[in-house]
Amino acid sequence: ETGVTQTPRHLVMGMTNKKSLKCEQHLGHNAMYWYKQSAKKPLELMFVYSLEERVENNSVPSRFSPECPNSSHLFLHLHTLQPEDSALYLCASSQAVTIYEQYFGPGTRLTVT
Amino acid sequence: GENVEQHPSTLSVQEGDSAVIKCTYSDSASNYFPWYKQELGKRPQLIIDIRSNVGEKKDQRIAVTLNKTAKHFSLHITETQPEDSAVYFCAASIAGTASKLTFGTGTRLQVTL
Repeated sequence: ETGVTQTPRHLVMGMTNKKSLKCEQHLGHNAMYWYKQSAKKPLELMFVYSLEERVENNSVPSRFSPECPNSSHLFLHLHTLQPEDSALYLCASSQAVTIYEQYFGPGTRLTVT
Repeated sequence: GENVEQHPSTLSVQEGDSAVIKCTYSDSASNYFPWYKQELGKRPQLIIDIRSNVGEKKDQRIAVTLNKTAKHFSLHITETQPEDSAVYFCAASIAGTASKLTFGTGTRLQVTL
């Protein structure tokens, strides 16, 4: 696999479930990002990691919990979500946080029932 | 924080015609302006970007112009083709130690035969 991969591609979960989204980048980048993409809204930056250290947390509810065990992997742990959290969750990476070009993964389409 | 507005939200052009999408930003400290293309069901991909030290940049049929005084930038696509049909997002980044893109709401471009 090359580029940025995400699993699963689709996820349906109930409001009381706990699930995790996974992102992996094969580009040797040092920065990784989580974005939320909802219909008719701009892409919303959720979290930024640089060399496994969180450098941005954009007022995201605590029901979303990121984890970056190494510079190639990024997780988003989900628990007690709300229906309004249904969206496409995109992972991205860049060479460094100061290098602007970001490469996106294909996204996980999340539906909360 | 930064606010990016994008217009129009939908745009339909005939094959061969030109398409123009406009964005305005609020923070004069922003110095990097990328454009992403997202085809249906696919990931956003960078198609062109411009930094604040230049006023125009071209890449084949695509060009971006930047007016720092007015705080707006535009994407120009000439000789449009059906494969140009997609959602286009503009973004602006605030100078700093973290790469943080603020996106517009997107423009759905439809190129008709």
